[in-house]
Amino acid sequence: QVQLVQSGAEVKKSGASVKVSCKTSGFTFTTHYIHWVRQAPGQGLEWMGIRGPNDDYTFYAQKFQGRVTMTRDTSTSTVYMELRGLTSEDTAVYYCAREYKSSSDYWGQGTLVSVSS
Amino acid sequence: EIVLTQSPATLSLSPGERATLSCRASQSVSNYLVWYQQKPGQAPRLLIYDVSTRATGIPARFSGSGSGTDFTLSISSLEPEDFAVYYCQQRNSWTWTFGQGTKVEIK
Repeated sequence: QVQLVQSGAEVKKSGASVKVSCKTSGFTFTTHYIHWVRQAPGQGLEWMGIRGPNDDYTFYAQKFQGRVTMTRDTSTSTVYMELRGLTSEDTAVYYCAREYKSSSDYWGQGTLVSVSS
Repeated sequence: EIVLTQSPATLSLSPGERATLSCRASQSVSNYLVWYQQKPGQAPRLLIYDVSTRATGIPARFSGSGSGTDFTLSISSLEPEDFAVYYCQQRNSWTWTFGQGTKVEIK
């Protein structure tokens, strides 16, 4: 069955970087794009960007350009999201999600990133 | 950036009642309009894509409609498990945006 399993919770200091992993299984990794979406505590969903599966394609939301990098490791079917220059505003649950017809049909369980000063 | 505005913010209804949720876009989104359900502590669950196509395993009581800038998610008869937050989402080129959500709560 399709699964996206994310890395565990992180606690970071302001100014640090965080790298969240999303290991996929149950589908052909090289045929699906992966999105990253975050959700601050008690808030709505915020799209961060998309990573292509088998080329260098990435597209980031303007808000995160210059601060986020999405990479992939085809050998392990894993996608990574690195966010730099963390502030308290980046405290959120980060989700990876599989692209399906301009939507996301399967989501990771979420990774809580807490940023403190 | 296309802005999605959902209304109402909160909908208070009883089980068995019909729910009608609205999502309005700041400009036309063609057919790339999606609805998700999210319960506390869980990832979003895909309900509807391409305006009106139910995702796999979604009950027929959920339906989507609309075009251009105005879209609606309807739940024909609320079941206890339907009380949750609902988000609409659109795709424009490779950019996605989400609405702010509508909470459907038990009256």
